Amino acid sequence: AQSVTQLGSHVSVSEGALVLLRCNYSSSVPPYLFWYVQYPNQGLQLLLKYTTGATLVKGINGFEAEFKKSETSFHLTKPSAHMSDAAEYFCAVSDRSGGYNKLIFGAGTRLAVHP
Amino acid sequence: EPEVTQTPSHQVTQMGQEVILRCVPISNHLYFYWYRQILGQKVEFLVSFYNNEISEKSEIFDDQFSVERPDGSNFTLKIRSTKLEDSAMYFCASSEGQPNSPLHFGNGTRLTVT
Repeated sequence: AQSVTQLGSHVSVSEGALVLLRCNYSSSVPPYLFWYVQYPNQGLQLLLKYTTGATLVKGINGFEAEFKKSETSFHLTKPSAHMSDAAEYFCAVSDRSGGYNKLIFGAGTRLAVHP
Repeated sequence: EPEVTQTPSHQVTQMGQEVILRCVPISNHLYFYWYRQILGQKVEFLVSFYNNEISEKSEIFDDQFSVERPDGSNFTLKIRSTKLEDSAMYFCASSEGQPNSPLHFGNGTRLTVT
């Protein structure tokens, strides 16, 4: 069965610093991986996804993530944090057993950005 | 850009009452989902719906819950006889259906059961 582990429920960085949010997955099939962001009182917005092909994927708002099969990881990074990046970030793996995309989410990482 | 819309944004109900949460998925999407997020916990899958029937449901989705697509646009989640532990944010999502197509989520309905 597919599962996701996000290391660190809270991450705090300074504005302008590197953002690194960790995600490790478990999957019995080649994984499809996603990062979603949730701003306060809003829904889940897709940041980026990996399905096949290039292992470094770029998303919105300057975020990118690298799929590393050997490490079963899909960490999310951004070179320079902005105050507006403060939100909760969810890593998800697709459970494709039903032939469609059912997402299994990690517990989330709340990112705080301070001046 | 087309989006998933959910109404109401907040719903307060008394324990034992029935609630209906409404969603309008993206029009050309084929799969519809409900997820739940209890405060401080992870986002949990409840049910998926395709071709006018449930594709899959989690163990959370017991007889208290039901889903319906009453017309060509709306997708509803009904909770009969609500319990305190049903208090959560409920997210509707839709997707094109392929395993690599992302889910598009609405802004959620915050349900508070008192």
